[in-house]
Amino acid sequence: DIQMTQSPSSLSASVGDRVTITCQASQDINFHLNWYQQKPGKAPKLLINVASNLETRVPSRFSGSGSGTDFTFVIRSLQPEDIATYYCQQYDDLPYTFGQGTKLEIK
Amino acid sequence: EVQLVQSGAEVKKPGESLNISCKASGDTFTNYAMAWVRQMPGRGLEWMGIIYPGDSDARYSPSFEGQVTISADKSITTAYLQWSSLKASDTAMYYCATLVITGSLDSWGQGTLLTVSS
Repeated sequence: DIQMTQSPSSLSASVGDRVTITCQASQDINFHLNWYQQKPGKAPKLLINVASNLETRVPSRFSGSGSGTDFTFVIRSLQPEDIATYYCQQYDDLPYTFGQGTKLEIK
Repeated sequence: EVQLVQSGAEVKKPGESLNISCKASGDTFTNYAMAWVRQMPGRGLEWMGIIYPGDSDARYSPSFEGQVTISADKSITTAYLQWSSLKASDTAMYYCATLVITGSLDSWGQGTLLTVSS
């Protein structure tokens, strides 16, 4: 299986801050990476596909970049409603594996 | 967009069998694959496997191979996740989700909470 390593596992930031989460794959996965947001008690929600394509109706403060083994997810200006856990997921090879998640809290 | 409605929460004893379901509506059932994802209490998302409803071809993560069975009935646009003998360690939330061409899980069910306890 392809291993996905996210960092940090948790972070605390203030409203308006720029937040960066990284995801590293154990092998080259090209652009085959998605990002999800999961709020407490809810199902995950797809935010970004193919490393950098924002899903419809997802605010533009969210962005993704990267290719190969190293990927970055950015929230440009953190809002209170962004409190959630964020996951990366590779789809280069089955099984399509997730990172361990990054829990984001407001300072 | 696809809507997915999962069956309700279950409380079972170790050794019992179980079948949970995921009913799809809003798009042609055979246009996408259906994935199952496990989330143990306080933990992250784990990919269990997928099924292509058109031909019922199921692919499992090695961690779940032999532990569960994924199936689908395209006549009633429903996917299933089955256990023949539950363990306490199967206690988790289980989500179904549609897997689309970009490899992303596009639509999600609301989750089915399974508690296995003696």
